[in-house]
Amino acid sequence: EDKVVQSPLSLVVHEGDTVTLNCSYEVTNFRSLLWYKQEKKAPTFLFMLTSSGIEKKSGRLSSILDKKELFSILNITATQTGDSAVYLCAVPNSGYSTLTFGKGTMLLVSP
Amino acid sequence: DTGVSQNPRHKITKRGQNVTFRCDPISEHNRLYWYRQTLGQGPEFLTYFQNEAQLEKSRLLSDRFSAERPKGSFSTLEIQRTEQGDSAMYLCASSFLSVPNYGYTFGSGTRLTVV
Repeated sequence: EDKVVQSPLSLVVHEGDTVTLNCSYEVTNFRSLLWYKQEKKAPTFLFMLTSSGIEKKSGRLSSILDKKELFSILNITATQTGDSAVYLCAVPNSGYSTLTFGKGTMLLVSP
Repeated sequence: DTGVSQNPRHKITKRGQNVTFRCDPISEHNRLYWYRQTLGQGPEFLTYFQNEAQLEKSRLLSDRFSAERPKGSFSTLEIQRTEQGDSAMYLCASSFLSVPNYGYTFGSGTRLTVV
């Protein structure tokens, strides 16, 4: 059974801080790893990672995958209150028919 | 509308009643998924359709749950004889065949409260 573990489960930082969120995984046939941001409702897609060591970047957010050590990190620099959300990590099964999610990291950015 | 639409947004029901939720996926997407999310947990897979065929069901989907996708368009998820443990956010998502570079597109969910 595929497994995804995220840490920390919650985090409170001050605006302007840099945060690193962790995701470790165990999957039968690794295809990719996905990061989502969830603000109370629909999870919205952030990144899809398939190759080790290649950083994906979007504005202040970046993510990287280590397929040897089976983990990924999501970095957010210069955090803003609008970054407050739950960040979810997920891995698809080999047929991409299902996603296994971690419990998420709840990030609160205080002004 | 280019997003995944779910109705109703909220549903409060008494234990033992039946409820039905609807999901309208992005029109060109041929895969449709249902997930359930409880407080403090990530979404958990329930079932998915490719066109009108239901191809996989999770063991979480008890006999009280049934999903349909007639004509491969919208989908409904029905829960019969609801229990308090069914209280959760039910998320629908859609995609084109396999997970594209932007991943699934999720709807805003239907929050079910069973009292």
